[in-house]
Amino acid sequence: DGGITQSPKYLFRKEGQNVTLSCEQNLNHDAMYWYRQDPGQGLRLIYYSQIVNDFQKGDIAEGYSVSREKKESFPLTVTSAQKNPTAFYLCASRASGRGRPSYNEQFFGPGTRLTVL
Amino acid sequence: AQKITQTQPGMFVQEKEAVTLDCTYDTSDPSYGLFWYKQPSSGEMIFLIYQGSYDQQNATEGRYSLNFQKARKSANLVISASQLGDSAMYFCAMREGLNTGNQFYFGTGTSLTVIP
Repeated sequence: DGGITQSPKYLFRKEGQNVTLSCEQNLNHDAMYWYRQDPGQGLRLIYYSQIVNDFQKGDIAEGYSVSREKKESFPLTVTSAQKNPTAFYLCASRASGRGRPSYNEQFFGPGTRLTVL
Repeated sequence: AQKITQTQPGMFVQEKEAVTLDCTYDTSDPSYGLFWYKQPSSGEMIFLIYQGSYDQQNATEGRYSLNFQKARKSANLVISASQLGDSAMYFCAMREGLNTGNQFYFGTGTSLTVIP
């Protein structure tokens, strides 16, 4: 089945530790995204990547890092510099290309709930 | 300025009734796409409906329709014949520009509760 997988579903981390969240897609999508969602709030963009070996900061990139070495994979590292990392993290992907706006919705993974102890 | 504004934090609707969830957007780009997503309590985001800025007709997908008023910059979601399974958070989103790899902007969401 084609889709996006995120692991783990729940993650606990001690303060001061770095942690890496996995995101894999087999949809052959070029673009991938990481969002953070806090309780009762919308999605805020952390990083996005439109192509392998390239990525851009979103609105709240501080304290996070990413890599895009393979088309299928876009891992997110939450570093100790992130002041308040407890949140729900969603990864998404979509086909990309140029032209008139098309029906390219983002496909989302099931999310990872990170809790800092 | 907020790119996407959803002014209804919570809404209630009686089962089998219709409900409208409001969304206004802000952009100066003539090319953009508008999306609605549903997020049940499990957390996954489910795509519902899409409206392109050049589309002449309002989008419809089953019980979902999008009331697109371009001059008012609004893209309200209408859910007809509400069901208990419709209880969830609903997010409006926009993508600007011609490059379909551009980022999405999301609203803060509306929590919909369907009452039996």
